[in-house]
Amino acid sequence: EDQVTQSPEALRLQEGESSSLNCSYTVSGLRGLFWYRQDPGKGPEFLFTLYSAGEEKEKERLKATLTKKESFLHITAPKPEDSATYLCAVTVSARQLTFGSGTQLTVLP
Amino acid sequence: DTGVSQNPRHKITKRGQNVTFRCDPISEHNRLYWYRQTLGQGPEFLTYFQNEAQLEKSRLLSDRFSAERPKGSFSTLEIQRTEQGDSAMYLCASSRPGLGTYSGANVLTFGAGSRLTVL
Repeated sequence: EDQVTQSPEALRLQEGESSSLNCSYTVSGLRGLFWYRQDPGKGPEFLFTLYSAGEEKEKERLKATLTKKESFLHITAPKPEDSATYLCAVTVSARQLTFGSGTQLTVLP
Repeated sequence: DTGVSQNPRHKITKRGQNVTFRCDPISEHNRLYWYRQTLGQGPEFLTYFQNEAQLEKSRLLSDRFSAERPKGSFSTLEIQRTEQGDSAMYLCASSRPGLGTYSGANVLTFGAGSRLTVL
């Protein structure tokens, strides 16, 4: 059974304090790994898709990387508006995503 | 394009009642998904439609749950004889194929969800 584990469960950072979120996965035949951001009371918002080990993608202060066993979401010099829950998901069939439980990020001003 | 629309946004019902949620996907998206999310957890897959065909269902989807997508446009998710354990956020998402290196690994656009509280 596909499994996705995210750590830490919660992370509090000072504004400007860079850090990384981890997503480790166990799947047979990874077709894609996704990062989503979710604000309270809203649906997840797409950030990145990674398809193969070694791939990296960047968007503003966020950078996602992928290895054969895990993915990292690096946050450089975060701002309070980056506060959200970050969700990682994997797909093997393209018909469904298997999500982790998320990392709740709080960036303090 | 106004995104994925879900109604109602909130529903409070008594145990044993039936409820129905509606999802209007992005117009050019032919794939539609339902997920359920409880507090502190990630979304869990329920079912997937391609056009009007329901192609995959999770074993989480008991026989009290039924989803339809007539004519391949909007979708409804009905829960019969609700139980307190059904309390959750029900998320709808849509996508179109062909994005990314793997044509099947779609990018899902989620709606804001329908929150169900069963008393």
